[in-house]
Amino acid sequence: IAGITQAPTSQILAAGRRMTLRCTQDMRHNAMYWYRQDLGLGLRLIHYSNTAGTTGKGEVPDGYSVSRANTDDFPLTLASAVPSQTSVYFCASSRTGAYGYTFGSGTRLTVV
Amino acid sequence: QKEVEQNSGPLSVPEGAIASLNCTYSDRVSQSFFWYRQYSGKSPELIMSIYSNGDKEDGRFTAQLNKASQYVSLLIRDSQPSDSATYLCAVNPNNNNDMRFGAGTRLTVKP
Repeated sequence: IAGITQAPTSQILAAGRRMTLRCTQDMRHNAMYWYRQDLGLGLRLIHYSNTAGTTGKGEVPDGYSVSRANTDDFPLTLASAVPSQTSVYFCASSRTGAYGYTFGSGTRLTVV
Repeated sequence: QKEVEQNSGPLSVPEGAIASLNCTYSDRVSQSFFWYRQYSGKSPELIMSIYSNGDKEDGRFTAQLNKASQYVSLLIRDSQPSDSATYLCAVNPNNNNDMRFGAGTRLTVKP
């Protein structure tokens, strides 16, 4: 089934630990995105990639890094997790920025 | 002022009624507009996109865009309990990686 796969589904992480959230799409979309969703704040863009080999910073990039080695994969890394990074993380993709996004099922991350 | 504003609701309508969801945006040059539906505990799902002034219909859904008033709306006809969800308005000012989402309006359709 075409779409976006995120892993893990949920995770409890100790503060200070490193964590990589995985995202893979099979739609051959050029653009990929990472959002976090917090109650009352809506979806906020963390990082994006317009095409393989390029990445950019979104609205809330601090404490996060990404890479885009190929079209399909767009992992998000928290180098040293802090409690304020507790959130639901969604990966999304689109053909280009002019089109709507397809979202993955999300990763619920709790940093304690 | 938030870039994309929606009434958080909850908006409650009886089954079979028309649900009207509204959204305003601040960037006058915005070109692409979207509505997403998000069920509780699930990811957003794209249901409508609209790019030019006027109405766009898809089944029971109608998106309306008025760029002069910086206003976009979503009408859901013959509302069903299965339409109960949070509806997110999204605006992409420059058709690039800058999609901005509203906080969402929670809709409840009562049987």
